[in-house]
Amino acid sequence: EPEVTQTPSHQVTQMGQEVILRCVPISNHLYFYWYRQILGQKVEFLVSFYNNEISEKSEIFDDQFSVERPDGSNFTLKIRSTKLEDSAMYFCASSRGPALKTQYFGPGTRLLVL
Amino acid sequence: EDQVTQSPEALRLQEGESSSLNCSYTVSGLRGLFWYRQDPGKGPEFLFTLYSAGEEKEKERLKATLTKKESFLHITAPKPEDSATYLCAVQAGLYNQGGKLIFGQGTELSVKP
Repeated sequence: EPEVTQTPSHQVTQMGQEVILRCVPISNHLYFYWYRQILGQKVEFLVSFYNNEISEKSEIFDDQFSVERPDGSNFTLKIRSTKLEDSAMYFCASSRGPALKTQYFGPGTRLLVL
Repeated sequence: EDQVTQSPEALRLQEGESSSLNCSYTVSGLRGLFWYRQDPGKGPEFLFTLYSAGEEKEKERLKATLTKKESFLHITAPKPEDSATYLCAVQAGLYNQGGKLIFGQGTELSVKP
């Protein structure tokens, strides 16, 4: 059964450093998403991406964040200058369509900013 | 502001003891409601999608129902392996072209043998 994969599973970084989180969505899906979950809190939407551009983004997704689909299989989230409050579990998801289509989630990358 | 609230926050059951989890929502134009299961340290695993009031979906010991204001996840004769956090999420808004999901805080279910 196809699934979303994410690398790395864990990432530790120093405040101010850049990190890139990687995702391989399900192969025939066209819509891609990033969510995050701070420990003990709700899963929060960050951004959705379709046809090589951002479809929607949340207030959390400021200028420090960017997304890219560098090739036909990968989808990345870059945080330019990490802050302590960026520590969270980051989930990638993909779907065949934006609305009413099921989003399938990856296992997540746990980011710890020191 | 669109909101999703789940109750209870935590639920402890004995094996075989049936119960229900609640997800209430206040959104501008519900387009779909999704139930996910999340195990500790893992990503949400899809369970059900409900689109309109009155709709029901079943899978093994789980049954999801939807009204105009809330959804229930009924668990019949649960087993220890059903222990997990159950997440409810909605898609809302007539002009939601981005597919954003709004999540509740989840119900942590523990089933003891």
